[in-house]
Order: sequence, then structure tokens, then C-alpha cells
Amino acid sequence: SQQGEEDPQALSIQEGENATMNCSYKTSINNLQWYRQNSGRGLVHLILIRSNEREKHSGRLRVTLDTSKKSSSLLITASRAADTASYFCATDAGGTYKYIFGTGTRLKVLA
Amino acid sequence: DVKVTQSSRYLVKRTGEKVFLECVQDMDHENMFWYRQDPGLGLRLIYFSYDVKMKEKGDIPEGYSVSREKKERFSLILESASTNQTSMYLCASSFHGGRSYEQYFGPGTRLTVT
Repeated sequence: SQQGEEDPQALSIQEGENATMNCSYKTSINNLQWYRQNSGRGLVHLILIRSNEREKHSGRLRVTLDTSKKSSSLLITASRAADTASYFCATDAGGTYKYIFGTGTRLKVLA
Repeated sequence: DVKVTQSSRYLVKRTGEKVFLECVQDMDHENMFWYRQDPGLGLRLIYFSYDVKMKEKGDIPEGYSVSREKKERFSLILESASTNQTSMYLCASSFHGGRSYEQYFGPGTRLTVT
């Protein structure tokens, strides 16, 4: 069963706008990661947030985690055309080093 | 830079053929993973390995086997390819034991079974 479900499935915005995507999961986690995938390529790690953290920043990325709601959000500020990609959340399956990936959000940034 | 390489970017095979997909990493990672990615289904774990000769089934191991004879190399084997195994296959590696949970991915192999 899918642990992480991203929402929305697809998002189209103008360059310079902010993009927010959400991830919901079902079981308790130790940490949650976000990855980016450019079209037809492998995934690239963006950021990891631990279960005892509520917010984390990395450059133009801001990730929040609400363990009570079992959800996380990824905010990309001042988006660029190069941010066009699919974004996936991945949760550890209850303390193991196996991660379960969601179905992804396809982001399109229009120049 | 960590590098994970996969033997082919594109592969076309016939139904019933035995198919080998190879993955090599150069970071001395203990863990290695094979996923398949299909539209609308995201990434699904097929098998993973946490040490040489060790393997564990993922969520969808049926029709696949794996081999890890050396730490840097993890092979995915389709014993008798079928059309429903047409997919994008992604290999990944990571450290074991909490040093870092980040997975490093290869570029993927797009396999078509006709």
C-alpha cells in the first residue's frame, strides 16, 4: 500500500510564484525525505526532515512536518523554469532503512 | 560525487527472455535498491540488499530475482520477461546504520518487453 500520497498530482505556475505540494502518510515515521525527478531521469535528494522537527529550510526550499496530521509540505519559493520536475516524498517504514515513495507531484513552471 | 550507474538507458527484450539489469555504485554504500516506476503508481520497491549476498524482498518481488556478489554491484534479473514488466527501473544506494538516509539514484533503465 502507498505510504506517501502527494497532493496535488499536477501543478502549473508562473515563474516567480511559489509552489506548494503536500504529502500525507499512514504510519508513524522517523523521518521523511523529498526528492526531485527531472523528466526521464533518476531521483535527486532534496531535503530530509526528522520526526522531531517541524520545519526545515534549504535555499529556496521549505519543508514542514506535522506528525499529528501525518502530513508534510514542500514549498518552493520564487520558482524558476528549471524547477519543472516531479517531486516525491519518501517515508521510512517504521524505523527501517527502506523508504516508501509516493506517487509524486508534477510541477510545471512557465517562463 | 557519488555515482550510481546502470548498464543500459533503454532496453528492448522479447517475452520469455532472461533479462539482466546491472547497477554499480562507487560510494562504498552498504544498501542497494531496485525500484520500478510506472505512471500513477510512483516508485515501488522490488528488492533491496543491505550487504553482500544479503537480500530482502520489497513490495513487488514476483517475477524478479537479484544478485549481490560484490558490494558495489547489484543485479536485477527477470527470469522470463513478460509484457507487464515493461517499465522504468531505477537503482539506488545508501549508507546503512543511520549515517545518512539519503538514497542516490542511477539514471534509470527503460525496459520494453514485446
